[in-house]
Formats: sequence, C-alpha cells, structure tokens
Amino acid sequence: EVALVESGGGLVQPGGSLRLSCAASGFSVSTTYMNWVRQTPGKGLEWVSVLYTGGRTYYADSVKGRFIISRDNSKNTLYLQMNSLRAEDTAIYYCAREDVIVPGGFDYWGQGIQVTVSS
Amino acid sequence: EIVLTQSPATLSLSPGERATLSCRASQNVSIDVAWYQQKPGQAPRLLIYEASKRATGIPARFSGSGSGTDFTLTISSLEPEDFAIYHCQQRFSWPGTFGQGTKVEIK
Repeated sequence: EVALVESGGGLVQPGGSLRLSCAASGFSVSTTYMNWVRQTPGKGLEWVSVLYTGGRTYYADSVKGRFIISRDNSKNTLYLQMNSLRAEDTAIYYCAREDVIVPGGFDYWGQGIQVTVSS
Repeated sequence: EIVLTQSPATLSLSPGERATLSCRASQNVSIDVAWYQQKPGQAPRLLIYEASKRATGIPARFSGSGSGTDFTLTISSLEPEDFAIYHCQQRFSWPGTFGQGTKVEIK
C-alpha cells in the first residue's frame, strides 16, 4: 500500500532553517515524480518544488535559491531543505507523488505538516 | 505564470442535485488539468487528470471536460460526502498552478 508520511515541521524564527522529510512506502521515490506543495488560508495551494526521476528539479520563484529538494533512495525518502525562512513561508506542507506511468496529477499525498515562521 | 480562475467561489446545493464547477486558464493549457477534492483537515484527493480521466477509485458521478482554457468538473448527483472544496491544477507549464478553489456546501 502506498503511503507518504511527512515530518520535520514546527516553529522557526525568521531567517532560520528547517528540513522536511517525506518517508515513502509502497513505491520507490527514485522512479516517481516527487513534489512539495504548500497550502495557506490566504493563497490556497502552491506547488513549491518537483524532483523528476532523472534528477531535474524545479522551484517556485517564491522559494528559488532558498529551498532545496532532494531524495535518499536508500531511505526511500524525499526532503525539502528550507533556508532563510520568511513569515510568508508559513503553511501546511504536503509531499505528493505523480505516477510516471500514468502522469497527470498527484495521486498520493502525505497528511501534511505545519511550518510556522514567527519570532 | 498561468492563472487559473475557478467559479463560483461557493456553490450551495442539496444532495441529489447536479454540481457544475468551472476552471478557466489565463492561457492555453491543452488538456493538462487535474481536479482535486479536499475536506477539512485532509490532503487533497485526485479526482480527474488530463481534463477528463477519472483517477483510480473515483465514482462515475464525477466527470471532467474541457481543453484549451475552459474546463468543467461535474458531479451528476451530489452525495453527502461530496460537500467539500474542489481545486483545479494545470501542469502544462512550470510553475504549475492551482485555482483558488470552489466550495460546494449544503444548501
């Protein structure tokens, strides 16, 4: 059974760093497109970053240069290293996968984890 | 960045009624549109991908249509569990974007 479980969220001061983890089971993160999406009450859903199977990555302009997406195939885990955090990064962060065989949407999501940036 | 505009913001309907939700893109996105359902405290759930294909396990009362800039999600007969927020998403170009959501509430 496919499952995604996020961890690593919490409260951090502006300018600080956090690393989110997304432990996957039931499939391999190395053979699937893996994504981070965040959600706030005001801005709705925002696609933050994607890591393709070949290693190519994309970032939203709002996080480019501050966030890094990566994966550890041996741990079957996706990461999001978040640096220079700002108040506007406060959100619920979801990891989500897109099936390479049947692409077109995010078919599995984690439960979401809260990140709060505040002094 | 492609902007997706969903309408209406809120749809008030009764169980058994038909729901028609709209998603309009600011430029052509071909058929690269997905629809998600989200309930309070839960992650979004994929309903429709490539504009009209139902995801695994999604009931036949959910259907999607459209191409180019105009897309529609239709729920043929609302069940009690269908009252939720619905989001559209375009994957045609990076950054992929989501609409602001349509809330389907019980009238």
